[in-house]
Amino acid sequence: GQSLEQPSEVTAVEGAIVQINCTYQTSGFYGLSWYQQHDGGAPTFLSYNALDGLEETGRFSSFLSRSDSYGYLLLQELQMKDSASYFCAVRDHPSAGKSTFGDGTTLTVKP
Amino acid sequence: DAGITQSPRYKITETGRQVTLMCHQTWSHSYMFWYRQDLGHGLRLIYYSAAADITDKGEVPDGYVVSRSKTENFPLTLESATRSQTSVYFCAAQGINYGYTFGSGTRLTVV
Repeated sequence: GQSLEQPSEVTAVEGAIVQINCTYQTSGFYGLSWYQQHDGGAPTFLSYNALDGLEETGRFSSFLSRSDSYGYLLLQELQMKDSASYFCAVRDHPSAGKSTFGDGTTLTVKP
Repeated sequence: DAGITQSPRYKITETGRQVTLMCHQTWSHSYMFWYRQDLGHGLRLIYYSAAADITDKGEVPDGYVVSRSKTENFPLTLESATRSQTSVYFCAAQGINYGYTFGSGTRLTVV
């Protein structure tokens, strides 16, 4: 079966840095994605890592270690608008695009 | 850039009724997906499609039917709605970077 673990909640203050971890146990692994979802909205794509290492996109970075079955999303210079749920997702098939999602981490940014 | 359009946005139906949720993409992406999201949880895959006339089951397909006669449309039908199918339904298409673009979702309530 497929299993992804993320913390259910994280709280941080404006301007700080926060890291959201994701560990996975899946029958196949071809990449790790991260999505952001605000209350009442649709998930939006943030990043995709297929190879080990750090990918940076503005204030957000995503890291992958395939040997540890682990990845994280790093959010820097937190803003109030970053309060949202963040989901990691594993692409578990080489050609089919389907992904298995974690249950999400609710990030609350306080002033 | 309209992306993914889902309709209706909200739907209330009675137990036992058939209901169809519509999904349309303005691109020609091959892979399309239907996920359901229950309160406080991640997204669970119902069905996905690799191309027109090619569909496959996901994690929770029971009680649902899909079709894809045209690349741009991927409707989801609940054959006989049950209260356990009350959920938010998201349609998505996969772009070239393996990231999904989601529609705005359909909030379905089965009474």
